[in-house]
Amino acid sequence: LAKTTQPISMDSYEGQEVNITCSHNNIATNDYITWYQQFPSQGPRFIIQGYKTKVTNEVASLFIPADRKSSTLSLPRVSLSDTAVYYCLVGARSGGGADGLTFGKGTHLIIQP
Amino acid sequence: EPEVTQTPSHQVTQMGQEVILRCVPISNHLYFYWYRQILGQKVEFLVSFYNNEISEKSEIFDDQFSVERPDGSNFTLKIRSTKLEDSAMYFCASSEVGSRLAGGPKEQYFGPGTRLTVT
Repeated sequence: LAKTTQPISMDSYEGQEVNITCSHNNIATNDYITWYQQFPSQGPRFIIQGYKTKVTNEVASLFIPADRKSSTLSLPRVSLSDTAVYYCLVGARSGGGADGLTFGKGTHLIIQP
Repeated sequence: EPEVTQTPSHQVTQMGQEVILRCVPISNHLYFYWYRQILGQKVEFLVSFYNNEISEKSEIFDDQFSVERPDGSNFTLKIRSTKLEDSAMYFCASSEVGSRLAGGPKEQYFGPGTRLTVT
């Protein structure tokens, strides 16, 4: 499993764009990068997944450089409700398909008014 | 939007007692998972389940733990003889067979969790 490193915490303000970078120097060829979000006392929630270049959905964008040794989750125009822990996960789908996810400590994002 | 449900939301039990945590996965999902999160710590994978058998389990999932799909809708986690260190939030998750995420790990949908307190 590729080890990931991300900041323990970040602060920002409402209306700002927030970028959270995750390092994964040992990413393997068949690994994907997945981000989950967790609010206090709730289960994690999938945000976005990508393999290379850029992926965008209605919630976020994921930027992955050509060497894939890092990735950046971009949250446009954050609000107070985006205060949560954000997890970067790196791994591949196994042949069996029932893949247990390995969570790190994540980045605690705090949005202020 | 379909969601994973879990009951109870909070369970208090005495050390040595058996507990059963219940989950109703999303109806068309066929992969099921249990995770736990000790207060202030990271989410830890326990076990995955597919086609009525365990697909993968972590070293945390020892002989004290078992999982079952007793009917077409429920998925349960049993802890046979609870210990103080089993106190945690337990999350159930499910994922579908065919994923919209081509190639990568399947998107997992987590329930709201059951807070287990062992006294």
